Amino acid sequence: GENVEQHPSTLSVQEGDSAVIKCTYSDSASNYFPWYKQELGKRPQLIIDIRSNVGEKKDQRIAVTLNKTAKHFSLHITETQPEDSAVYFCAASSNQAGTALIFGKGTTLSVSS
Amino acid sequence: SAVISQKPSRDICQRGTSLTIQCQVDSQVTMMFWYRQQPGQSLTLIATANQGSEATYESGFVIDKFPISRPNLTFSTLTVSNMSPEDSSIYLCSVEGGLAGSPGPQYFGPGTRLLVL
Repeated sequence: GENVEQHPSTLSVQEGDSAVIKCTYSDSASNYFPWYKQELGKRPQLIIDIRSNVGEKKDQRIAVTLNKTAKHFSLHITETQPEDSAVYFCAASSNQAGTALIFGKGTTLSVSS
Repeated sequence: SAVISQKPSRDICQRGTSLTIQCQVDSQVTMMFWYRQQPGQSLTLIATANQGSEATYESGFVIDKFPISRPNLTFSTLTVSNMSPEDSSIYLCSVEGGLAGSPGPQYFGPGTRLLVL
């Protein structure tokens, strides 16, 4: 089955800096890669996703890149703000209807002002 | 995206008892998923619930311990049976947000925080 590795487990940056979180996956059949943000005591919230027919996707300060050959994808957050502080999870699935997500172990991002 | 609610939002239970968690969605969905999130950990898939058939369980999870019902396209329950302190976790249901039969983003319910004493 699919296995998703996520690094780093913790990341501390200064406000205004960029943050990058990287994930690798094992199943070449996976072709859907979402990222979730989870604030303390809250449910995971989808922040951006990418499908295998796209190499990069941006949404304001957030971008995700995908290298399908190398089986890795990354989350990039620019101009970080204290409210970006949270746990971020990457996930992978085969993107067929009704396929569950397999999650990485998460990255705790701390943005200090 | 679908509006998902869960009941109860939290509970404290004694070991050896069972708790049934309900998940309600405001629209019809083909698949519902149940995840467990242990304190400070990631999300682990327990099972996939398809209406009209038995749930499909992931390795390490069995029907006797986590029976699931899926009586219709907007509702599911997960029961945590014969609980022990190791079952203390957040239990989350999720649904796929795309059109029926099409893959799409998945959205989570608010979770049920379970503490077993």
